[in-house]
Amino acid sequence: AQSVTQLDSHVSVSEGTPVLLRCNYSSSYSPSLFWYVQHPNKGLQLLLKYTSAATLVKGINGFEAEFKKSETSFHLTKPSAHMSDAAEYFCVVSDSTGRRALTFGSGTRLQVQP
Amino acid sequence: GAVVSQHPSWVICKSGTSVKIECRSLDFQATTMFWYRQFPKQSLMLMATSNEGSKATYEQGVEKDKFLINHASLTLSTLTVTSAHPEDSSFYICSARPGLQETQYFGPGTRLLVL
Repeated sequence: AQSVTQLDSHVSVSEGTPVLLRCNYSSSYSPSLFWYVQHPNKGLQLLLKYTSAATLVKGINGFEAEFKKSETSFHLTKPSAHMSDAAEYFCVVSDSTGRRALTFGSGTRLQVQP
Repeated sequence: GAVVSQHPSWVICKSGTSVKIECRSLDFQATTMFWYRQFPKQSLMLMATSNEGSKATYEQGVEKDKFLINHASLTLSTLTVTSAHPEDSSFYICSARPGLQETQYFGPGTRLLVL
């Protein structure tokens, strides 16, 4: 079975400073990994996904993530935080079966201070 | 593209009544849709996988007789919470997967409050 662990439940940064949201995964196969963002009272939006192509994945809104097999990590980064980035972020792994069910991490709430 | 809608966006009902939530893929066909539940300040938990034209697959611990899922077409799946009780109050979210793609697209969610 696969799982993801988001190491921080809450991260607070100042506007204009870098963002790092940490995620470790556990999987017995080569996983597909995703980062989704959930803004208050809005649906989940896909930020980026890794599916065994390039290990550095670029997503929307300036976010990127690097797949590191040796560290079983898939951390999300952004060089400069914007106030609009304040939201809940979920690291997600897809299972290897045909149905491709998703397993969500516990989420990291990103707070951006002015 | 890849838009998923849910209706209603929120619903308040009395204990003992049934509530139906619709999930539609607006611009693609989805042979597989998923239903999740999210409690306040918690992550999403997969409830069931809905396959067009066949029975849904429920996750362990989810009562299939309480949470009825119907996937009658390639663009519509419904979740009916039967005989709802206050403990069923939650945020229900659906997702849909276009064809054989791996990426799931999520609906905006339905907030259910059972009084």
